[in-house]
Amino acid sequence: DAGITQSPRHKVTETGTPVTLRCHQTENHRYMYWYRQDPGHGLRLIHYSYGVKDTDKGEVSDGYSVSRSKTEDFLLTLESATSSQTSVYFCATKLQGGTEAFFGQGTRLTVV
Amino acid sequence: QKEVEQNSGPLSVPEGAIASLNCTYSDRGSQSFFWYRQYSGKSPELIMSIYSNGDKEDGRFTAQLNKASQYVSLLIRDSQPSDSATYLCAVDRLTGTASKLTFGTGTRLQVTL
Repeated sequence: DAGITQSPRHKVTETGTPVTLRCHQTENHRYMYWYRQDPGHGLRLIHYSYGVKDTDKGEVSDGYSVSRSKTEDFLLTLESATSSQTSVYFCATKLQGGTEAFFGQGTRLTVV
Repeated sequence: QKEVEQNSGPLSVPEGAIASLNCTYSDRGSQSFFWYRQYSGKSPELIMSIYSNGDKEDGRFTAQLNKASQYVSLLIRDSQPSDSATYLCAVDRLTGTASKLTFGTGTRLQVTL
């Protein structure tokens, strides 16, 4: 299995608080992705990275920011959590364009 | 228009039958196409990848790609109850050094005994 670890695995937070999710990989993969998964919506791309400090927005980026200061870590931050951000968040990585992506175990985030 | 579209299902097929899953995409610049399987409560895992027009077979699975029609499909022969899962179509577009990987909503497959 690819060495991709998401932390925390579960989190309950209050509306308006900042939250940071971490994706850590030991594969030296160049590309990293953050998705959210909600019933009926599949996997929706939030942000992605194609190298250290190189990131771009996905289809549902509003309310989220990311940072990638080193190859192995990709952080997703909810600056002020809202109930609509309650979801399961998946991180994925891949070595290069056009190759298989590997997924972390997911983080279940509940905003109350 | 969504970038990647799938019928959400559920698609119900009897054990031993062929399951046919379909996907359309909107970006003609997409170069790589994937099918992932996701069991309930688990992470997605790769089933098939396809990069050029035509068919690609791997065991009971066949992926089909038609770039002119912007259409990707997955056939599962001799469907088994263990194939019951959600199947996600994914499309990868390279722009310079950036690689954007977009998924569809997934099709839930139920294989009945």
